[in-house]
Amino acid sequence: AQRVTQPEKLLSVFKGAPVELKCNYSYSGSPELFWYVQYSRQRLQLLLRHISRESIKGFTADLNKGETSFHLKKPFAQEEDSAMYYCALSSAGNNRKLIWGLGTSLAVNP
Amino acid sequence: DVKVTQSSRYLVKRTGEKVFLECVQDMDHENMFWYRQDPGLGLRLIYFSYDVKMKEKGDIPEGYSVSREKKERFSLILESASTNQTSMYLCASSLFGGGNIQYFGAGTRLSVL
Repeated sequence: AQRVTQPEKLLSVFKGAPVELKCNYSYSGSPELFWYVQYSRQRLQLLLRHISRESIKGFTADLNKGETSFHLKKPFAQEEDSAMYYCALSSAGNNRKLIWGLGTSLAVNP
Repeated sequence: DVKVTQSSRYLVKRTGEKVFLECVQDMDHENMFWYRQDPGLGLRLIYFSYDVKMKEKGDIPEGYSVSREKKERFSLILESASTNQTSMYLCASSLFGGGNIQYFGAGTRLSVL
């Protein structure tokens, strides 16, 4: 069964520290992985997707098929990174539904 | 820019009332979705639609129905609201062939008293 696991409900770091939000998935095939972010009082929005292989707001995520992971990383956290982060999975070519993790709330302290 | 608009930001209803949540998107997207967002439970899919008059149940369809009479509009209906339907409701849309990127509305926070 397709599943996305975000093991941490809450992650708290200090400004300037590295941050890694973990995402593991279960899927037999070629998945597409996404990270979405929801800042306080804002709508949920796409942060990045593995196909793009780009860095957004200093965040990167690499798909590791061997470990079935898609961890989100940033070398130096900023206070404005505080938000709820969701990892999501779709089967390649599905073109419809996403399977969502439960989310990780990131708090970056001054 | 894609715009997904949910008709109400906050809504307070009584138990047993029929409740309509409306969602409109302006980018001609084929797919539209309704989610519930609850603390600790993430996003749970209620229903989605991939075309006008077409719908599929999501993970938690009980107590809900949907309507999609026009491509741009997707309505979520609570036939008889109950207190356990108090939640944040999110609407999203995506383009078929658009890489599965979903665009979200601002959400409707529904309280059922």
